[in-house]
Amino acid sequence: AQSVTQPDIHITVSEGASLELRCNYSYGATPYLFWYVQSPGQGLQLLLKYFSGDTLVQGIKGFEAEFKRSQSSFNLRKPSVHWSDAAEYFCAVVEAGTGFQKLVFGTGTRLLVSP
Amino acid sequence: NAGVMQNPRHLVRRRGQEARLRCSPMKGHSHVYWYRQLPEEGLKFMVYLQKENIIDESGMPKERFSAEFPKEGPSILRIQQVVRGDSAAYFCASSPSAGGLGDTQYFGPGTRLTVL
Repeated sequence: AQSVTQPDIHITVSEGASLELRCNYSYGATPYLFWYVQSPGQGLQLLLKYFSGDTLVQGIKGFEAEFKRSQSSFNLRKPSVHWSDAAEYFCAVVEAGTGFQKLVFGTGTRLLVSP
Repeated sequence: NAGVMQNPRHLVRRRGQEARLRCSPMKGHSHVYWYRQLPEEGLKFMVYLQKENIIDESGMPKERFSAEFPKEGPSILRIQQVVRGDSAAYFCASSPSAGGLGDTQYFGPGTRLTVL
């Protein structure tokens, strides 16, 4: 079965600094990969997704992610973090063989932004 | 364009009672997914429904949990005889009628269930 690993439970970044959140997946073929953000007390919002093609994907709010098949990674990046980016970030992959978008989520990384 | 609506936002039940969670998908969406988020964990898939059909319920506990998405009205997740371990946030998501692997799921704000 597919799985997603987000090795960092918490990350603290200074406002204006760059950010990279790690995501590793296990999957046999080309995966469908997603990054979602969850603000406190809110539902999840899609930041970006990757299916095929260009391995560098641009998303909303200035985020981007790079798919690296050799490393089984899909890390999320932002060049300059804003205080409003403080939230929990989830990486997800579509489980293979189901015929629909059955998402498998990582355990999340909580981002704290310091002034 | 209203997003995915869930109600109630917070629900408190005593052990043994029933919990009913409602989800109204975005307008024009006929695919609904339910997920459960336990404290300090990621979301776990529970069930996928289309109008009047359960397509995949592989993530649903075998007992006490059921889901429906009638022709008219919201999707309902029902938990009978709740236990403390059912305390979690329950999220609903909807997607457009295509229902393909490349679709975007739009999430509601969740219902936070607390079982006393």
